[in-house]
Amino acid sequence: DVKVTQSSRYLVKRTGEKVFLECVQDMDHENMFWYRQDPGLGLRLIYFSYDVKMKEKGDIPEGYSVSREKKERFSLILESASTNQTSMYLCASSYGTSDTDTQYFGPGTRLTVL
Amino acid sequence: AQSVTQLDSHVSVSEGTPVLLRCNYSSSYSPSLFWYVQHPNKGLQLLLKYTSAATLVKGINGFEAEFKKSETSFHLTKPSAHMSDAAEYFCVVGGFSGGYQKVTFGTGTKLQVIP
Repeated sequence: DVKVTQSSRYLVKRTGEKVFLECVQDMDHENMFWYRQDPGLGLRLIYFSYDVKMKEKGDIPEGYSVSREKKERFSLILESASTNQTSMYLCASSYGTSDTDTQYFGPGTRLTVL
Repeated sequence: AQSVTQLDSHVSVSEGTPVLLRCNYSSSYSPSLFWYVQHPNKGLQLLLKYTSAATLVKGINGFEAEFKKSETSFHLTKPSAHMSDAAEYFCVVGGFSGGYQKVTFGTGTKLQVIP
């Protein structure tokens, strides 16, 4: 079974703090993704990476950055957390570059910024 | 450009009755289409996907979906709802953008199953 793990299930931070969300996959997948999920908006893509040290902006990258130093690990960074970044964050990975590739999701991190 | 519309934000059915979750898509070319399910406090899990091999796609837990190009629809159905089907369901359209896989999620349909 593909396993995607995220470092925390719940996280509470204060406005202005730097926040790191970590994601690890164990299936040697090329692609990794970060989404945020908000009620009524579905999932929105923040950033994705198709190779080590490579990254591409998704639909809502503002206020976020990412790092992929190793193939299995993809980190999402909030440089200065704000209350409008309170959300559920989901990490996913997929095998290659086919448009039919299944994305495998982690359990999510619910981040609250006070 | 691609987009997906889930026509109902909430659907409520009685246990043992059929389930219909509606999804319409828009895509510049022949799309790949997915349905994912998210149970409370869990990550998303693939239910089924359409990859142009067959228009009727069978998935896990008795769900199936039919790709109808003329109607640009990919509705999810199940003949008989079970309590364990209560969850949020996402319709997803996949394609390529800039040489990379790009998927677009619908806003989700919450399925309530009444005993």
